[in-house]
Parts: sequence; C-alpha cells; structure tokens
Amino acid sequence: SAVISQKPSRDICQRGTSLTIQCQVDSQVTMMFWYRQQPGQSLTLIATANQGSEATYESGFVIDKFPISRPNLTFSTLTVSNMSPEDSSIYLCSVEAWADYGYTFGSGTRLTVV
Amino acid sequence: EDKVVQSPLSLVVHEGDTVTLNCSYEVTNFRSLLWYKQEKKAPTFLFMLTSSGIEKKSGRLSSILDKKELSSILNITATQTGDSAIYLCAVVYFTSGTYKYIFGTGTRLKVLA
Repeated sequence: SAVISQKPSRDICQRGTSLTIQCQVDSQVTMMFWYRQQPGQSLTLIATANQGSEATYESGFVIDKFPISRPNLTFSTLTVSNMSPEDSSIYLCSVEAWADYGYTFGSGTRLTVV
Repeated sequence: EDKVVQSPLSLVVHEGDTVTLNCSYEVTNFRSLLWYKQEKKAPTFLFMLTSSGIEKKSGRLSSILDKKELSSILNITATQTGDSAIYLCAVVYFTSGTYKYIFGTGTRLKVLA
C-alpha cells in the first residue's frame, strides 16, 4: 500500500496565524483526503482533494478556513488559516489504498493553538 | 442520519485477558466496514469486512461482520500491553454518487501488565 510522508509532525502556533501541512505520497493517487481529529473525538473528513480541480469540502468546513492545494498526483497541502484554540487537533491526510486495505494515513500533525 | 457507534468507550484489562469491541452502524448503501488501531496519531489498518459471517483473522485479532444486526465485533485474545490503543471502526457507504467514510468515536483500550 501507499506510504505517505506528512509534515510537520507537530506544531504550536499563535492564534491568528496560519499553518500549512504537507503530504507526499510515494505513488500517484487520484484522491487525497484530509481529516481532523479533535481531542477525544473521532476522525472528521474536512475535504477531498482531486488533482486538477477544486477540493470538495464537507459540511461545516470552508475553503477560506482550510485552503487545499493539489498540484500533482503525489502531493497535497492543507492550510489552517487564522487559527484559534478550537483548531487544536490532529490533522491527517489519507489516500484510499488497494480495494482490500481501506485508507492509508499519513503520520499526522498535532496542532496546538495558543 | 448516518452514524457509527462503538462500545465500550473505554476498557481496562490485564495482560492475557480477551476483549471484544463492538461497532454498530446505521447507513444506507453499505459497502464495507473497517477496523483501525490508533496508537499515537495515525490509524493503522486492521481489517476490512464486506461479507457477513466471514471471520477475518490476524494473529490474536479477529473480526466478523453481521449485516443483519448492522454490527461488527473485534476480538483480541491474550492481550498484551502493546495492544493498548484506540480502536476505530469506520463504515464505507455510497451516497450522492460517491463513497464516503464515517468513523466511530473509538474504543480506548488499556492493557495493564
């Protein structure tokens, strides 16, 4: 299955600033997914990133707050903009692996906003 | 509303015990159910289940799907401290022309030496 390199691994940011998270996949994939996991919660899909088109955002998430880039079939970025403490979460990128293996996840970014 | 519910929310056992984790779901156009283990940040894949009654097994872990009961169980026998983690259940379903995933809130398992 695909191997995903995600960075940064963790960061502590000041409120009002922005952080860009990067994910690099070792193979070409059509769709990449960005998830958020707030403390004590499960994974919530933020958006689906297709190469060459606008990302598709889930209800409750907007492009101005979470702009996504997908310049090619192996790379994507998620930016968390104008951060507030409520944005403190683990952010995960993922790709759909082979049919029998569900998702493969990046190593995750633990974001703390102070 | 589509949802996935896991139980128990948390569990503390001693090494050698056997545990059973539950996942129930309510979705339309069910495709598959997946189990993941989350130790730090990134969930790691355990099983994908699509057919009822067929047990999938990997070492001390096994899982089975019951489509009639809209549920699945994950069994861990002879637990070890390394099994301590959050176990997530996710259901894949088809809606609006695409497949979507819903994750449960997870079961937090702690295995004591």
